[in-house]
Amino acid sequence: AQSVTQLDSQVPVFEEAPVELRCNYSSSVSVYLFWYVQYPNQGLQLLLKYLSGSTLVESINGFEAEFNKSQTSFHLRKPSVHISDTAEYFCAAGEPGGSYIPTFGRGTSLIVHP
Amino acid sequence: DAGVIQSPRHEVTEMGQEVTLRCKPISGHNSLFWYRQTMMRGLELLIYFNNNVPIDDSGMPEDRFSAKMPNASFSTLKIQPSEPRDSAVYFCATQYRVGNEQFFGPGTRLTVL
Repeated sequence: AQSVTQLDSQVPVFEEAPVELRCNYSSSVSVYLFWYVQYPNQGLQLLLKYLSGSTLVESINGFEAEFNKSQTSFHLRKPSVHISDTAEYFCAAGEPGGSYIPTFGRGTSLIVHP
Repeated sequence: DAGVIQSPRHEVTEMGQEVTLRCKPISGHNSLFWYRQTMMRGLELLIYFNNNVPIDDSGMPEDRFSAKMPNASFSTLKIQPSEPRDSAVYFCATQYRVGNEQFFGPGTRLTVL
């Protein structure tokens, strides 16, 4: 089974600054990768996903993540954050085929200061 | 589509009482997951159904917890008897097929006094 490590439990940043949230997964032949966002008192929502193809995936609100097979990473980045990006971010991984049970990281709390 | 529906949104009960959490998945989604989220343990997978059949319940903490999916449009998670350490937010999530993303409900915040 996959394991997912989110190296930072909390990332404080000022508004309009760039941010990177780190995610590493255990090695596998093939893997599906996801970033979810959880706003206060809400469920998790998909932010972006990598299934195959281009290693760089983007969301509609300016986030992007790059699948790096050699480093088994799927870091999330945004060049300029807004106050409204303050939330908990979860990285998840799974193995295609068979019974698919995704593995979630512990989450990273992004705190954007004015 | 209304998305994944969970009820109740909030539940406050006393230790020893039975608690039933409900989930209505998105129509056509074949897989359903129950999660528990706490500050201490983060997001934990409790049980996973595929086509209404429980596939993996290794995350269910103990016999006090049980889950059912009698049909494709309804699932329940029951705690009997409840204990204060069961206090958490419980999420239901569904998935269309292997590899696709999960759709989460808004959660049920359970407080056991």
